[in-house]
Amino acid sequence: EDKVVQSPLSLVVHEGDTVTLNCSYEVTNFRSLLWYKQEKKAPTFLFMLTSSGIEKKSGRLSSILDKKELFSILNITATQTGDSAVYLCAVEGGSNYKLTFGKGTLLTVNP
Amino acid sequence: EAGVAQSPRYKIIEKRQSVAFWCNPISGHATLYWYQQILGQGPKLLIQFQNNGVVDDSQLPKDRFSAERLKGVDSTLKIQPAKLEDSAVYLCASSLDGGIYEQYFGPGTRLTVT
Repeated sequence: EDKVVQSPLSLVVHEGDTVTLNCSYEVTNFRSLLWYKQEKKAPTFLFMLTSSGIEKKSGRLSSILDKKELFSILNITATQTGDSAVYLCAVEGGSNYKLTFGKGTLLTVNP
Repeated sequence: EAGVAQSPRYKIIEKRQSVAFWCNPISGHATLYWYQQILGQGPKLLIQFQNNGVVDDSQLPKDRFSAERLKGVDSTLKIQPAKLEDSAVYLCASSLDGGIYEQYFGPGTRLTVT
């Protein structure tokens, strides 16, 4: 059975801190790994990663994939209160290349 | 561009009752997904349509859940009869050509079964 494990499950930081969120996976027919941000509504897409070692960046967020060790990290630098959300990791794979999500990391950024 | 629309946004029913959710994907999107997200969990795919055909329904509890996609556009998801453990947010998503990274989510329907 495909599995995606995220850690930590929750994290509380102060504005300006840097955070690292982790995602490890076991999935057959791996095709891609995706990160989503979920506030009190639908998940919004952040990154898709398909190749090892190539960092994706968007503003203060960046992510990298290690296909040998089967994990990815999402970094957020200079955190702001607006970064408070659940961050979901999902892996595309399996027999129909469907998305399997982790439980998410609840990030709270305090002023 | 208009996003994925879902209704209702909230629904409270008693166990053993039936309920239906509606989804209107982004215009021109061929692929439509229904996910179930239980509190504290990530979304779980229930069913994926490509146009009006089913691509994957391996995680759909078919004894009580059913879904259809009319004319390859709107979709409905039905639960009959509902159980307490069906309490969750039901998310609909669509994508242009089945590429996962292009998946856009609707606001979801929060179902509470009492």
